Amino acid sequence: QSALTQPPSASGSPGQSVTISCTGTSSDVGGYSYVSWYQHHPGKAPKLMIYEVSKRPSGVPDRFSGSKSGNTASLTVSGLQAEDEADYYCSSYSGSSNFYVFGTGTKVTVL
Amino acid sequence: EVQLVESGGGLVQPGGSLRLSCAASGFTFNNAWMSWVRQAPGKGLEWVGRINKKTDGGTTEYAAPVKGRFTISRDDSKNTLYLQMNSLKTDDTGVYYCTTIRTAAADCWGQGTLVTVSS
Repeated sequence: QSALTQPPSASGSPGQSVTISCTGTSSDVGGYSYVSWYQHHPGKAPKLMIYEVSKRPSGVPDRFSGSKSGNTASLTVSGLQAEDEADYYCSSYSGSSNFYVFGTGTKVTVL
Repeated sequence: EVQLVESGGGLVQPGGSLRLSCAASGFTFNNAWMSWVRQAPGKGLEWVGRINKKTDGGTTEYAAPVKGRFTISRDDSKNTLYLQMNSLKTDDTGVYYCTTIRTAAADCWGQGTLVTVSS
């Protein structure tokens, strides 16, 4: 199972928006509504930010939103704040393996 | 409050074995699907394996790189998840996280335990 494809980096100034893409295939991202997104500050435990494509767990700010079109999912962070600087990973259920696959990860920098 | 505390990491030689444990509290463990996720130094997150709850068959799934070498099990009487790792390779070096699973997402994470495979 190959990793989902994410851009290595993304950046924006405080208050701006940044969107991260996550491209898979019809066997994973495109075939199921089981895409999730994680925020990972190095040295800390990753944190779930979005599940089932666009749902936010309790406590996650509504500045974080998710969507999907075809085989590509996206995470948008609006109103960027300094604490949003982190690595972000997407994940999807894969029907071909009956398991999950992560994306390659995107480092978000707040300028 | 959900708590997941991993233990058992350390230094092991290639070809050796190690068993990781994850002590769970703050939720109904026997009703939860659980997983292990790892991160090699300087690399991204990687799913290792998953175990369903017993009423869903208690079945397991593994990522291709660990299939046949790693085994996930659970002791619901002790609220503990395990990862038995055999025939370890240097590529298995990394931080191993225990997570709960809800609708194909890892919704709660432990702090991780470091496994180093080196001679």
